[in-house]
Amino acid sequence: EPEVTQTPSHQVTQMGQEVILRCVPISNHLYFYWYRQILGQKVEFLVSFYNNEISEKSEIFDDQFSVERPDGSNFTLKIRSTKLEDSAMYFCASDGLAGEEQYFGPGTRLTVT
Amino acid sequence: GENVEQHPSTLSVQEGDSAVIKCTYSDSASNYFPWYKQELGKRPQLIIDIRSNVGEKKDQRIAVTLNKTAKHFSLHITETQPEDSAVYFCAARDSNTGNQFYFGTGTSLTVIP
Repeated sequence: EPEVTQTPSHQVTQMGQEVILRCVPISNHLYFYWYRQILGQKVEFLVSFYNNEISEKSEIFDDQFSVERPDGSNFTLKIRSTKLEDSAMYFCASDGLAGEEQYFGPGTRLTVT
Repeated sequence: GENVEQHPSTLSVQEGDSAVIKCTYSDSASNYFPWYKQELGKRPQLIIDIRSNVGEKKDQRIAVTLNKTAKHFSLHITETQPEDSAVYFCAARDSNTGNQFYFGTGTSLTVIP
């Protein structure tokens, strides 16, 4: 069964540094998402992406965040200047044209020190 | 926007007993309600979902019920097993206005052997 993949599995960075989290969605899917989950809390929506542009974003997704689909397979989340409170698990997800079940990747644990 | 509340936050049951987790939502336009199971350190995985034109759906030991009038939906797990121990998240989405999920706060289920 096809799966969403994410790299790296764990990223440690210093406050103020830029990080790029990478995702490879399922190949025939058209909608891509980033969510984050602070330890012990619920999964929170960050942004959705369709047809090479952002379709929705939450209030969490401020100017320090950006997303990109640089080629036909990767979907990236960039955090320009990380803050301590950005420490969380970041999940990528994708779904197909039917827009029903979202498939989640294994997550990237981001630790900002 | 949509607000999803989930209860209880923790639930312990004896193996073989049933477990029930309840969620309420605020946006009457929401029309798709998935349940995700998340084992420690792993990705959320869809276990069952229900659409607003259906009142109940069952898949072996797992069932979900939806009351659109009251705006609540519940997950029922019968004959619980230790491997059912995980965090369960409910979510809601209005597919007509967007694809993002609004997640509940999660229920940590422990099945005691």
